[in-house]
Amino acid sequence: GEDVEQSLFLSVREGDSSVINCTYTDSSSTYLYWYKQEPGAGLQLLTYIFSNMDMKQDQRLTVLLNKKDKHLSLRIADTQTGDSAIYFCAEPHSGNTGKLIFGQGTTLQVKP
Amino acid sequence: DVKVTQSSRYLVKRTGEKVFLECVQDMDHENMFWYRQDPGLGLRLIYFSYDVKMKEKGDIPEGYSVSREKKERFSLILESASTNQTSMYLCASSSAGDRLSSPLHFGNGTRLTVT
Repeated sequence: GEDVEQSLFLSVREGDSSVINCTYTDSSSTYLYWYKQEPGAGLQLLTYIFSNMDMKQDQRLTVLLNKKDKHLSLRIADTQTGDSAIYFCAEPHSGNTGKLIFGQGTTLQVKP
Repeated sequence: DVKVTQSSRYLVKRTGEKVFLECVQDMDHENMFWYRQDPGLGLRLIYFSYDVKMKEKGDIPEGYSVSREKKERFSLILESASTNQTSMYLCASSSAGDRLSSPLHFGNGTRLTVT
């Protein structure tokens, strides 16, 4: 079955770039998603990338996709304290069920 | 914007109680989901539904049931709450459309404590 793996924790200083990595297993995934969860809140869709793209940029966010290695990354430029949150990557379930398979989440800690 | 509303942010219940968690979405989405979130385990799917009166088991359905009598509302039921069901519960919805490309939209979660 599908499996999505992320490292659990990342600590950076304010103003630095953050890179959060994710590996997935289903090569047929059409879209891959990044969600952000702030403390005490639900998950918010942050960005997504279509599988025929290598890169997508959206203001301070850059998503890189390496389909050969099934590796996805989220880069946050000029990281701010407000970026402190848990970040989840997710891929669709292969059975066209509408389900998403989530990684364990990476906690990003931004130090002032 | 899609709005998914969970009726309670915090709940405290006693072991053995029957517990109802309610979720309502306002975007006429066909698909609705219940996940639980635990530290170190990420999100795990409990149940989901593609349409009114339809339900499908997720990865961890034991101890739970669901009800979808109206398209906009999806309820999670703990028939007899136990302490190992203490968790954050997240409801989500998505458009049917192309199921491989429809993102999930989440509510703010209900933190349930069973004592």
